[in-house]
Formats: sequence, C-alpha cells, structure tokens
Amino acid sequence: DIQMTQSPSSLSASVGDRVTITCRASQSISSYLNWYQQKPGKAPKLLIYSASSLESGVPSRFSGGGSGTDFTLAISSLQPEDFATYYCQQSYSTPHTFGQGTKLEIK
Amino acid sequence: QVTLKESGPVLVKPTETLTLTCTVSGFSLSNLRMGVSWVRQPPGKALEWLAHFFPNDEKSYSTSLKSRLTISKDTSKSQVVLTMTNTDPVDTATYFCARTTLGGYRYGIPYYYGMDVWGQGTTVTVSS
Repeated sequence: DIQMTQSPSSLSASVGDRVTITCRASQSISSYLNWYQQKPGKAPKLLIYSASSLESGVPSRFSGGGSGTDFTLAISSLQPEDFATYYCQQSYSTPHTFGQGTKLEIK
Repeated sequence: QVTLKESGPVLVKPTETLTLTCTVSGFSLSNLRMGVSWVRQPPGKALEWLAHFFPNDEKSYSTSLKSRLTISKDTSKSQVVLTMTNTDPVDTATYFCARTTLGGYRYGIPYYYGMDVWGQGTTVTVSS
C-alpha cells in the first residue's frame, strides 16, 4: 500500500495568515492527489483533486501543488470558516489511502 | 442534485456481520465513470478508505480488511451495499459513502478523481 504522511499534524494560525500543509507519498503517485476539509461532526468536503484542480464552488484562496511524491495545500488568507482538519488522499492505486490529517486551529 | 445516504444498524455485537447500505440519487449506478466508495472514521481518528465499486464490476478493498469486506450493487434500488464480517469493537466508527469519478486509464490501469459528493455518515458501535 502507498503510505501518505502529512505535516504538520496540527497548526495554529490567525485569520488572514497564509498557511501551507504538506503531504508526502511513499512512492510516486504522479498527480493523483486529493485534498479534503472536514469539520467536526460533518462529512469531508473535496477541495482539490488531481493535485491542483480546484473543485467547483471552493474559494480560490485554496490552492494545491506538487507531483510525484511531494504535495502542498495552501490557504492564502485564512478565514474563520477554514479552521478544520485537512486530509490528503492518493487515488493513483488502490487502496486509496489517506494521510493522518492536519488540524488547523485558531491562534 | 446528487445525494448519497448511508443506512445500517446503530449497534452490532462482536463477531456479527455488519451490513451498510448507500442509497444514491441524482446519478446512475450504470454510468461507467461513476462509482461509490466507502470510508470510515473511528471516534477522534483519521479517515480510512475501505472499498469502492464501479459499474463495470470493478471492486477494490482495503488490504487489511479485504478478507472481511464485500461490496455489491443493486442498480434497481440505486444502492451500493458493504458487508463486514466478524466485527470487533475496533470497527466502531462513522461510516461514509461517497461518489467517486473514474478519470480514465493509464497504460490500461484506471485512475480516479476525488470523492466529490459524500453522504452524512452513519455511526456504528460494535459492543456486547
């Protein structure tokens, strides 16, 4: 199985900050990397697919990049509604493994 | 509007078989590019991918749970069913189903886009 490792596991930031979350795959996954946002008690929400494609309806302050084994999710100017847990997931080969999550908290 | 809704028991006893149903609307389970995935999340823990099913009868499973999982489809009812045998308290979790899109084929091997529409989840407790 492909292992996905996110860093950091948790992050404190303020409204208006720019933050970056990284995700590393244990082998090359080309660009088959997705990012999700999850708020407590809710289902995950797809933000980015294929490493850098913004899902319809997702604000443009979210962006994704990378290919091969190293990927990033950036939020350009944090809004109050962005404080949540973020997960990466590879869809290069089954099983489609997730990272362990990054919890973004208000400083 | 695309929706998915999970249903199943709230409580199961250890060693029993768990059957979860995902009822979809707004898209057809006959569409070869649209499949359904199952994901679970134990309390306070990360997401875990379990399985997916596509209309060409492609099925894939979590490596660690493969021997206990079966995924199937009832097109007439617009449902995808996941069964898990020999349950254990560690299987206590919220179970989600989600639509997954087939992106295409790379050297004959399928690749996929993300899970774009999710159900609300159903919480299952495994306890005696």
